[in-house]
Amino acid sequence: DAMVIQNPRYQVTQFGKPVTLSCSQTLNHNVMYWYQQKSSQAPKLLFHYYDKDFNNEADTPDNFQSRRPNTSFCFLDIRSPGLGDAAMYLCATAGTSANEQFFGPGTRLTVL
Amino acid sequence: GENVEQHPSTLSVQEGDSAVIKCTYSDSASNYFPWYKQELGKRPQLIIDIRSNVGEKKDQRIAVTLNKTAKHFSLHITETQPEDSAVYFCAARLGFGNEKLTFGTGTRLTIIP
Repeated sequence: DAMVIQNPRYQVTQFGKPVTLSCSQTLNHNVMYWYQQKSSQAPKLLFHYYDKDFNNEADTPDNFQSRRPNTSFCFLDIRSPGLGDAAMYLCATAGTSANEQFFGPGTRLTVL
Repeated sequence: GENVEQHPSTLSVQEGDSAVIKCTYSDSASNYFPWYKQELGKRPQLIIDIRSNVGEKKDQRIAVTLNKTAKHFSLHITETQPEDSAVYFCAARLGFGNEKLTFGTGTRLTIIP
């Protein structure tokens, strides 16, 4: 009965090699978020979608892009990963009338 | 934008004692305040939340209080147990129509058996 699913759970990539992380949800929520979380820090919002409307945070590097082809799926593309991009990437969803954000299990990205 | 401060950054309590974590927020328009618990290597999970029209909310051993005038809210855990050990994040959300949460910096809570 997983509600927010992230694949893969662990991803290893090489410096500069593009990587895509995926998120899917069974909640039919309008809003989907991507967060970056480094060790012992709070989740940092990268961007979010309200339906198809994309909202980028001002300090999100251009290296990070996102796609949401339909309600259920959202992708995070890192075009040229650097060592500093190694982190846990969390996807979350929320309904329009609900306050709670539901988090996925995360993808831990390692950059070699 | 909203700014949320959280204290303390680390907290150790004896099993059975109470733990209190405090957060302050900057924007008086914020109206929703969740608390998330994150165990090592796992996702943040909502443990309790409160809306701005309520001063206190309780769920078994966990309670949250909100002081809108002072713009601070607190998490109270009573009769702490080893499984309460985790990192706890507070967050605040601006008014209706804003979908973003601003997180505090987190508190690492350790319960000493």
